[in-house]
Amino acid sequence: KAGVTQTPRYLIKTRGQQVTLSCSPISGHRSVSWYQQTPGQGLQFLFEYFSETQRNKGNFPGRFSGRQFSNSRSEMNVSTLELGDSALYLCASMVGGANSPLHFGNGTRLTVT
Amino acid sequence: QKEVEQDPGPLSVPEGAIVSLNCTYSNSAFQYFMWYRQYSRKGPELLMYTYSSGNKEDGRFTAQVDKSSKYISLFIRDSQPSDSATYLCAMSGNTDKLIFGTGTRLQVFP
Repeated sequence: KAGVTQTPRYLIKTRGQQVTLSCSPISGHRSVSWYQQTPGQGLQFLFEYFSETQRNKGNFPGRFSGRQFSNSRSEMNVSTLELGDSALYLCASMVGGANSPLHFGNGTRLTVT
Repeated sequence: QKEVEQDPGPLSVPEGAIVSLNCTYSNSAFQYFMWYRQYSRKGPELLMYTYSSGNKEDGRFTAQVDKSSKYISLFIRDSQPSDSATYLCAMSGNTDKLIFGTGTRLQVFP
């Protein structure tokens, strides 16, 4: 079974630009979560989607948004990029039941210059 | 105070040593406890998943949960250089939101 796939692996953007990251979950997994990972803060929860609806949201500004499609694939968008948005963005999927373990992709490394 | 505290290390041990990794937490509603391993340039992979208090063993890995002390541990026996990675604890309560520790970097040298 294929794992969680994230594209692209690396991105370099300039302040003020916007970016879209993509995630394909494990087949059969209906929940997709997004995390931001930085050396100082660790893994910070962004949001979770289940059956195309946002089910949970972390404490990030509105510049961070996401969506999920009917095939469970998900995209995350960050608008008006700031230097502090440089991080590893991780997508994780799970079957859907509460407190099921998360399965992570290898992330998208975003660098904002 | 963070909900989950984890010593960032780095922890450096010789091959064959027993490694102890720990996390403390403040939210008594947490019931599900996990350990993830993350190699450089990779996403975290699930190592251990436990519910409530007690021990769980899987090969060289043992996870312990002490809810009365709000303390969880991961023990690695006969550590190998291939165990060198960052280890993340994670936990959740009745919501689906998983809270992670900041990770402990482990280096096992031959």
